[in-house]
Amino acid sequence: AQSVTQLGSHVSVSEGALVLLRCNYSSSVPPYLFWYVQYPNQGLQLLLKYTSAATLVKGINGFEAEFKKSETSFHLTKPSAHMSDAAEYFCAVSDNTNAGKSTFGDGTTLTVKP
Amino acid sequence: DAGITQSPRHKVTETGTPVTLRCHQTENHRYMYWYRQDPGHGLRLIHYSYGVKDTDKGEVSDGYSVSRSKTEDFLLTLESATSSQTSVYFCAISESGQGTDTQYFGPGTRLTVL
Repeated sequence: AQSVTQLGSHVSVSEGALVLLRCNYSSSVPPYLFWYVQYPNQGLQLLLKYTSAATLVKGINGFEAEFKKSETSFHLTKPSAHMSDAAEYFCAVSDNTNAGKSTFGDGTTLTVKP
Repeated sequence: DAGITQSPRHKVTETGTPVTLRCHQTENHRYMYWYRQDPGHGLRLIHYSYGVKDTDKGEVSDGYSVSRSKTEDFLLTLESATSSQTSVYFCAISESGQGTDTQYFGPGTRLTVL
């Protein structure tokens, strides 16, 4: 069984500030982890994914995430927020036992203040 | 962008009427998924398909059925729509059903059941 917990349904930062979105997972087998972003009135698109290679994963738009097995975490960060980063972010977990199905977290809405 | 379209994009219907949503892909991906997105619940899997005529249930399949007669099309049917099925519905595709696969999402269908 898999599950994902995203801490904080809403996060607000100032433009230029650090972005930190938290994700903790639970999985009985080695997990693969994803961050997706959803802009208003659009579908989700992949930001980055961890597939058991490097634990620090770099994605698009300056985002990165670090897989920490000991903490069962996969937090998303960006050093300096931009207004265009305002969106909803979803963490997801999958594994090789489940037909590629992913379990998604409830999402975190990021607001960027000027 | 992955070639995924959904139709209709918006629909308003009345309780008790049948509704069919269509997902069409041009990527020749084997796996297709239907999710619903509700505030505070993230994305929840309704049904998925792993090939033509091969489908299986997800976590919230009650009240929904699916069909896949061609690789490119995956239909979601609400046999008798209820107000609890008011939601935004997303179709997604993935290439091989491996846990490392990225899921590519369509633009969504906003369904309102009155």
